[in-house]
Amino acid sequence: RKEVEQDPGPFNVPEGATVAFNCTYSNSASQSFFWYRQDCRKEPKLLMSVYSSGNEDGRFTAQLNRASQYISLLIRDSKLSDSATYLCVVNDPGGSNYKLTFGKGTLLTVNP
Amino acid sequence: GAVVSQHPSWVICKSGTSVKIECRSLDFQATTMFWYRQFPKQSLMLMATSNEGSKATYEQGVEKDKFLINHASLTLSTLTVTSAHPEDSSFYICSARNIGAMNTEAFFGQGTRLTVV
Repeated sequence: RKEVEQDPGPFNVPEGATVAFNCTYSNSASQSFFWYRQDCRKEPKLLMSVYSSGNEDGRFTAQLNRASQYISLLIRDSKLSDSATYLCVVNDPGGSNYKLTFGKGTLLTVNP
Repeated sequence: GAVVSQHPSWVICKSGTSVKIECRSLDFQATTMFWYRQFPKQSLMLMATSNEGSKATYEQGVEKDKFLINHASLTLSTLTVTSAHPEDSSFYICSARNIGAMNTEAFFGQGTRLTVV
């Protein structure tokens, strides 16, 4: 089983649509979870951290289910500018290096 | 503004030559920096963890003699790809975190696109 596994995508949605991405992780001891966004040929940028209680930032909602080792990202009212690859990222414990493990990413294209 | 600066942003080199990539943290001191490689349509793969003042820690399958890492100061880490081959062509990205708190954001450099011809 891959350490961090995401929906393969790609997702093609019209503007205004709601889209959800799913992610599972294999290490039950993982402690921190993030969603990053990566535009084509650019570096990843933090979209939001994911907390146990779930958290929302504007049109974006992230959920974490530790029992199922499952993370989700919901985007409401999609904008053209939301088109990017979304990376599920898990911070594994152990040592002081706080290793981040990246999912393969899910490509989202929002169409006019 | 960018808090991690990576240079160069792209480089083309001949097979057999060496290429050095720099990663600088601008707004904080980073005792640890991370080097990733990303092939087209693939995820970021951690290559090594760069530790200031000590040897880097390499991930399994990454040749330490080929990918030389130097972290001589709290704000600079370098990755040197030695005797580059076409299969080394990839997108190399560094990142740094303020290790004080576990949940802090990882800041990434702009990435270096290496093409070996």
